Amino acid sequence: GQQLNQSPQSMFIQEGEDVSMNCTSSSIFNTWLWYKQDPGEGPVLLIALYKAGELTSNGRLTAQFGITRKDSFLNISASIPSDVGIYFCAGPYFGNEKLTFGTGTRLTIIP
Amino acid sequence: NAGVTQTPKFRVLKTGQSMTLLCAQDMNHEYMYWYRQDPGMGLRLIHYSVGEGTTAKGEVPDGYNVSRLKKQNFLLGLESAAPSQTSVYFCASSQLQGLPFDEQYFGPGTRLTVT
Repeated sequence: GQQLNQSPQSMFIQEGEDVSMNCTSSSIFNTWLWYKQDPGEGPVLLIALYKAGELTSNGRLTAQFGITRKDSFLNISASIPSDVGIYFCAGPYFGNEKLTFGTGTRLTIIP
Repeated sequence: NAGVTQTPKFRVLKTGQSMTLLCAQDMNHEYMYWYRQDPGMGLRLIHYSVGEGTTAKGEVPDGYNVSRLKKQNFLLGLESAAPSQTSVYFCASSQLQGLPFDEQYFGPGTRLTVT
């Protein structure tokens, strides 16, 4: 299947800091998705991007669909304790029937 | 609405034992999926279904079987468990709406350990 590589794999930050993470693919995607997984829960969709160059916000989260269509970026501003979790990028393939997920970025907030 | 539910939440099996994981959704979704999540590997698709009575293989189907006898339920079976199947299993569902993307809704997961 298609591979999505996320970086960094993990982040340790202090509350209030801004966070940036990215996702790259060897293939072109027409849709980019960002999911968050809280500890002990299933992933939940945060943001969906449908157009190259698109910039979309959801509260303190902002995601961008890369111009090449092979990458996407997620920024979190002024992090708070509830931002802790694993962030996954994902993209649909085979029409919209299936998703391929990135390897995840684990965010930890240091007290 | 309960959304997507999974049973059991935790299970420990011995090598060679069999078990079935149950996924249920009350959103009348057509599509259902089973994923496994392993450290550093994200979520990988095991099997999926595009409607009642249909199933299809995903990325890592070996050692698993599935059935979708009712629209709201999707069962994942392990006939002879192996330690390599130790993982967290997630079920998801989505509705085909003709949009650029149909959001997948995930259950809370089942943590399976095979000793």
